Amino acid sequence: GAVVSQHPSWVICKSGTSVKIECRSLDFQATTMFWYRQFPKQSLMLMATSNEGSKATYEQGVEKDKFLINHASLTLSTLTVTSAHPEDSSFYICSANEGRLLRETQYFGPGTRLLVL
Amino acid sequence: GESVGLHLPTLSVQEGDNSIINCAYSNSASDYFIWYKQESGKGPQFIIDIRSNMDKRQGQRVTVLLNKTVKHLSLQIAATQPGDSAVYFCAESPLGGGADGLTFGKGTHLIIQP
Repeated sequence: GAVVSQHPSWVICKSGTSVKIECRSLDFQATTMFWYRQFPKQSLMLMATSNEGSKATYEQGVEKDKFLINHASLTLSTLTVTSAHPEDSSFYICSANEGRLLRETQYFGPGTRLLVL
Repeated sequence: GESVGLHLPTLSVQEGDNSIINCAYSNSASDYFIWYKQESGKGPQFIIDIRSNMDKRQGQRVTVLLNKTVKHLSLQIAATQPGDSAVYFCAESPLGGGADGLTFGKGTHLIIQP
């Protein structure tokens, strides 16, 4: 089946630093990847849509200059949280679409736990 | 704005019993619905999906029912096992899961009691 990985699985950083999270589709090519954020005991909220070779599309209320997204290849998208602050502490999850045989299932990565001190 | 929601935040069932998790959605334009299972500290795991032109779809031990008239989605899990304990989310997309991000419901925590 379609496998999506994320790296790192968890990260602790100081306030003001930047953190990069990678999302990879391991056995398929993903033209589109999505980034979600999940706070404790809450649901997933879509942050942005990452399109290979073009600019990401951000959801309302998500700062594009703070959450930089790069989708340089069909198997890799990166999310960089710039000048992280404690309120950015969350569980960041990416997903990718397999996109074949009209099956539009989104497969999710294992998530990255970010703690900003 | 429109959203997808769940009726029950917590559902406790006996091992071996069947469980039903419900979801209400408000976007009448929704075309594609998915159920995900999320275990603690992990990403969502795909369970089953259904398109708006269907009202029922079955998988292994799971069945999804869609009632477009009342905008209701349900997930039935047969013969629940301890490994079924998790948070279950319904999600919807007006364009299909490939081209559009998903809107998730609030989640139901399913607890399987021995």
